[in-house]
Amino acid sequence: SQQGEEDPQALSIQEGENATMNCSYKTSINNLQWYRQNSGRGLVHLILIRSNEREKHSGRLRVTLDTSKKSSSLLITASRAADTASYFCATEPRPYSGAGSYQLTFGKGTKLSVIP
Amino acid sequence: EAQVTQNPRYLITVTGKKLTVTCSQNMNHEYMSWYRQDPGLGLRQIYYSMNVEVTDKGDVPEGYKVSRKEKRNFPLILESPSPNQTSLYFCASSFYGTSGLNEQFFGPGTRLTVL
Repeated sequence: SQQGEEDPQALSIQEGENATMNCSYKTSINNLQWYRQNSGRGLVHLILIRSNEREKHSGRLRVTLDTSKKSSSLLITASRAADTASYFCATEPRPYSGAGSYQLTFGKGTKLSVIP
Repeated sequence: EAQVTQNPRYLITVTGKKLTVTCSQNMNHEYMSWYRQDPGLGLRQIYYSMNVEVTDKGDVPEGYKVSRKEKRNFPLILESPSPNQTSLYFCASSFYGTSGLNEQFFGPGTRLTVL
């Protein structure tokens, strides 16, 4: 099945800098979600953006979605050491019926390291 | 507190010995799902359930079974575990609507080792 792919695989920045992660996918989607995972722990939901939305904000997070390019980006502004984690995008494909597929497909993640 | 719980958190077992990993949520979610996470492969969906008695295969269902007899519980069953099922397993739940799935709430994970 189609899968979102994050880019870069790893990113190392200094505290206070902005971090940008990208996600590309292959087919039409209902929505795209971003999750964070601290080492070996459960995933935590960050933002959900639907296919008819172009941008969403949540605190220091900004997500954009470009359905024509089948891509999304996650921007973390003014990063902190506590932002060190892996970040995953997850897509829910939209079948031809137009309803939800009700299956989430995750990418392999971007490992972000924020150096104090 | 709204949460998804999994048990056990850690399990070491031997090939062929049947095991069950339990998952329970207290948010009245209709949708529940199991994933496995392996290094370099990300999360892959094993099975999901839209509601009681409604389950369907994900991307990697071979070697697993599930059941959904109650809304809050969604156990994952390995009838005859093999070493290639050594992995980190996550249960998740959410609401859903006509526009698709909502945010997923994940359990803390179960680290399974099959010798």
